[in-house]
Amino acid sequence: NAGVTQTPKFQVLKTGQSMTLQCAQDMNHNSMYWYRQDPGMGLRLIYYSASEGTTDKGEVPNGYNVSRLNKREFSLRLESAAPSQTSVYFCASGLADLTNQPQHFGDGTRLSIL
Amino acid sequence: AQSVTQLGSHVSVSEGALVLLRCNYSSSVPPYLFWYVQYPNQGLQLLLKYTTGATLVKGINGFEAEFKKSETSFHLTKPSAHMSDAAEYFCAVTTGYSTLTFGKGTMLLVSP
Repeated sequence: NAGVTQTPKFQVLKTGQSMTLQCAQDMNHNSMYWYRQDPGMGLRLIYYSASEGTTDKGEVPNGYNVSRLNKREFSLRLESAAPSQTSVYFCASGLADLTNQPQHFGDGTRLSIL
Repeated sequence: AQSVTQLGSHVSVSEGALVLLRCNYSSSVPPYLFWYVQYPNQGLQLLLKYTTGATLVKGINGFEAEFKKSETSFHLTKPSAHMSDAAEYFCAVTTGYSTLTFGKGTMLLVSP
């Protein structure tokens, strides 16, 4: 059972470079999410997609863009990477149930920006 | 607005001892409450959640949590700690009309 798959697992970028983090889920979930995790900060929501074709900003969207390519895939793009974006990024998915919250997380992408 | 406070960034217990991880929330409307666990180099895994109904919620791996409205708390407990319980635990809250707000996490250390 794959669940939520993120690629790549590790990446080092130089300031100003761009890249796209990929996420795919095979559980037929409607909702998908991108979070960043920084030491002592918990998880902070960057963007989410409640259903295919929709995306909304979370708590910390600046410097990021997203694309809900289809029901399975939700990508996160850094157009011009900055050292402040060094973090661990998690993709998650969830059912559109009463709480409509993430239930399954990927193993993360560890991103360092020099 | 909603918020979550987890008391103690680190909690240490001995194997076999009671585990108690504290979570207090703030919400202007009835909340939905969650506990997640994160093992090293992995994503978060949902342990349990409270939505409506019974205030004592049982989750995976022998954990449970009790919603206490009067105390605005949702503490996580386990009667007997195992070495495999060592991980970081996150409490989270939503009103159902908003996205999830996470606490800063509590690292559980289990010694033999």
